[in-house]
Amino acid sequence: KAGVTQTPRYLIKTRGQQVTLSCSPISGHRSVSWYQQTPGQGLQFLFEYFSETQRNKGNFPGRFSGRQFSNSRSEMNVSTLELGDSALYLCASSSVPGPLNTEAFFGQGTRLTVV
Amino acid sequence: GNSVTQMEGPVTLSEEAFLTINCTYTATGYPSLFWYVQYPGEGLQLLLKATKADDKGSNKGFEATYRKETTSFHLEKGSVQVSDSAVYFCALSERNRDDKIIFGKGTRLHILP
Repeated sequence: KAGVTQTPRYLIKTRGQQVTLSCSPISGHRSVSWYQQTPGQGLQFLFEYFSETQRNKGNFPGRFSGRQFSNSRSEMNVSTLELGDSALYLCASSSVPGPLNTEAFFGQGTRLTVV
Repeated sequence: GNSVTQMEGPVTLSEEAFLTINCTYTATGYPSLFWYVQYPGEGLQLLLKATKADDKGSNKGFEATYRKETTSFHLEKGSVQVSDSAVYFCALSERNRDDKIIFGKGTRLHILP
């Protein structure tokens, strides 16, 4: 079956702009989590959605937001971009909320560069 | 709060050498522990996991044993290959209201032919 699909793969934006990233989970998975990966901070949890509801949220400013649609596809939005938002954004899907005893399947990520 | 600490890299080894990447954790309850691997240009893949004390996870020649007494989950492989070059992440997840995955900062591994 198809894996987790993230689009676009690469993105270059200017400071102050906003950006929307998309994640399509594995078919049948209803939980989608988002992570930010940077060389300095490593992998940091952004938020998790399950059945269109935000179930969990990390320690990021309100400029970072997300949503999930009825088909489980998820989008995350970053407004008023800053240079420090340059990162690889990873999406993970799982069949149940939270990893519990199942693994999370990750997409290849969207590489965002803010100039 | 919960946290994961793993050895800093990069780690450089010759092919067929023995590998250990240390990982220790702090958790308030009884977490599940994971090792994920990220190959160049790709997302994370689950390498192995253990869900309770003394469990041993294994996959592709890699092993890690859940040691509750030392709060550790060290990754080992007896004979590494060039294709094992990647970044390895230790992670935990605890079954409670906030059971998101918490990752270590990652260890970059270089294997020389």
